[in-house]
Formats: sequence, C-alpha cells, structure tokens
Amino acid sequence: AQRVTQPEKLLSVFKGAPVELKCNYSYSGSPELFWYVQYSRQRLQLLLRHISRESIKGFTADLNKGETSFHLKKPFAQEEDSAMYYCALNGGSEKLVFGKGTKLTVNP
Amino acid sequence: DVKVTQSSRYLVKRTGEKVFLECVQDMDHENMFWYRQDPGLGLRLIYFSYDVKMKEKGDIPEGYSVSREKKERFSLILESASTNQTSMYLCASSFSGYGTEAFFGQGTRLTVV
Repeated sequence: AQRVTQPEKLLSVFKGAPVELKCNYSYSGSPELFWYVQYSRQRLQLLLRHISRESIKGFTADLNKGETSFHLKKPFAQEEDSAMYYCALNGGSEKLVFGKGTKLTVNP
Repeated sequence: DVKVTQSSRYLVKRTGEKVFLECVQDMDHENMFWYRQDPGLGLRLIYFSYDVKMKEKGDIPEGYSVSREKKERFSLILESASTNQTSMYLCASSFSGYGTEAFFGQGTRLTVV
C-alpha cells in the first residue's frame, strides 16, 4: 500500500531561520516523490519532484530510500514561504497519493 | 498554460440530491483525479482515471462514482448527497509516465444542507 506521512500539522519559524518539513513514505518499489504547495487563495501547484534534483524557490528535497523519507528544506525562510505544503507519492500505478499536509507560517 | 477547470467554485445542495461536479482539462492528459480536501485530513483520493472509460477507486470511493466519456472531461457524481460530503473537491490531471506533474483545478466548495 502507498502511504505518505507528514508528522507536523503546523510549523512556525521566524524569517531567516532554517526550515525542514518532514515527509515519510511507505512503498515497496521505486517511488516517485513530489512536494506540492498551496498559497493562500491559490490552487495547488508543484514545488519540486525528486527526479529533478533541483532547487525551487530555495527549497530542496533529497530522497532517502533507507529512511523512506523525502524531507523539504530551506536554509533561510521568507515570509512568502507561508503556505500549506503537501508531500505526494506515485507508486507506479498512476495513483497519486498525498499526505495530510503541513501548514508553514514564517513570522517576521 | 495548462488549464484544469472545474465547473463551479461554490455549490450548495440538499441532502439526498444527485450532484455532478465537472472537470475539464485542455492538455490531452491521460490521467485525471478527484480528491477531497479537508482540514487536518489533507487530500484524499476518491477516484482516478488513466484513460477514457477507465477508472480506479482511490482511498475513499464510498458514496461517489465517476464518469469519463471523453479524454478531456472527468465527472464526479454524488448519487445521494449527505452532509458528511460537505468539503472542498479538487480535480487534477497529468500525463502518464514517471515523475510527471499533476495540474490542479481551482476547487469546488460543496456544502450539503
């Protein structure tokens, strides 16, 4: 079964502080992993995917197959990063499953 | 720009009504999805479709059905709406294949009274 766990519902940091949003997954094969973001009053959109291995808006995420994790990190949070973040998994069946999400608030 | 358009932004329906939520995408995507989004529960997959007339159940299909008669359109049907189906419904679409991005609609806020 495919499952995504985001252990933190809420995360609050100050501007300029590092931020890490945790994501663990359960899947026996080779997963495709994504981070999606939803800013206030906007539609859900892709932030980054593990196969790209790129940094988007200063965010990076590394797939750790040993720990079955795909944590999202940014060294210096900005106020505009405040949003809802969802980790998602595609287990190869085209079925895209999401975690419960983490609401990030970056305080001035 | 990829467009995924949901027919209504807000809907209010009565208990027991049959409700249709429509979604149209303009990028010739093979895959289409219906999710409901609830605070604290995240996005839960109701149904998805990987081709015309093909569908698979997601994690919470009970009380819902879907229809995909044309590639660009994916409909979610609540056969007999109930108050516990009050929620935000999100439609998404994507190409098949490894690592492809899903594009989302703006959402339909359904209230069942």
